[in-house]
Amino acid sequence: AQSVSQHNHHVILSEAASLELGCNYSYGGTVNLFWYVQYPGQHLQLLLKYFSGDPLVKGIKGFEAEFIKSKFSFNLRKPSVQWSDTAEYFCAVKSGGGADGLTFGKGTHLIIQP
Amino acid sequence: NAGVTQTPKFQVLKTGQSMTLQCAQDMNHEYMSWYRQDPGMGLRLIHYSVGAGITDQGEVPNGYNVSRSTTEDFPLRLLSAAPSQTSVYFCASSYSFGNPSAYEQYFGPGTRLTVT
Repeated sequence: AQSVSQHNHHVILSEAASLELGCNYSYGGTVNLFWYVQYPGQHLQLLLKYFSGDPLVKGIKGFEAEFIKSKFSFNLRKPSVQWSDTAEYFCAVKSGGGADGLTFGKGTHLIIQP
Repeated sequence: NAGVTQTPKFQVLKTGQSMTLQCAQDMNHEYMSWYRQDPGMGLRLIHYSVGAGITDQGEVPNGYNVSRSTTEDFPLRLLSAAPSQTSVYFCASSYSFGNPSAYEQYFGPGTRLTVT
């Protein structure tokens, strides 16, 4: 079964710092990869996704992620974070062609200090 | 479009009570899913559906039932609530394989359930 590992459960940064959140998955076949964000009290929103093609994908709010197939990784990056980026971030993977939803990582709680 | 809607937003149940969490989507998505979110656990799949009349179990199905009589609706039933089912429940929908946006989950606002 697919599993998704997010290395950092809690991250605290100052505004303008650079961000990288790690994500690794276990299944070696064809995958679709996602990063979702959950702002306090809100539901999950899609930040970006990778289906195929250019392994460097850009999402909303200045976020980007790089798919490295050889490392089974899909790390999320942002060059300069803002206080409004305080949220929970989830990496998710879809493997295979069925309808059985996504496999999520446990999430990273990001706090940006002004 | 309203997207994915869920009711109620909050619910408190006593152990042993039953209830139904409602979920509806107006995007004509084939796939629908129910997840529960617990602190430090991420989201875990409860049940999912590929279309009207077809459902299947996810990672944590025990204590829950689903049905899908229409494309739009996918209710989740708690048969006999237990404190371990205290959680936030999210419904999601997506296009199916073959669509350019396949598998991208659109989430509802969630239902916060407390079982005492």
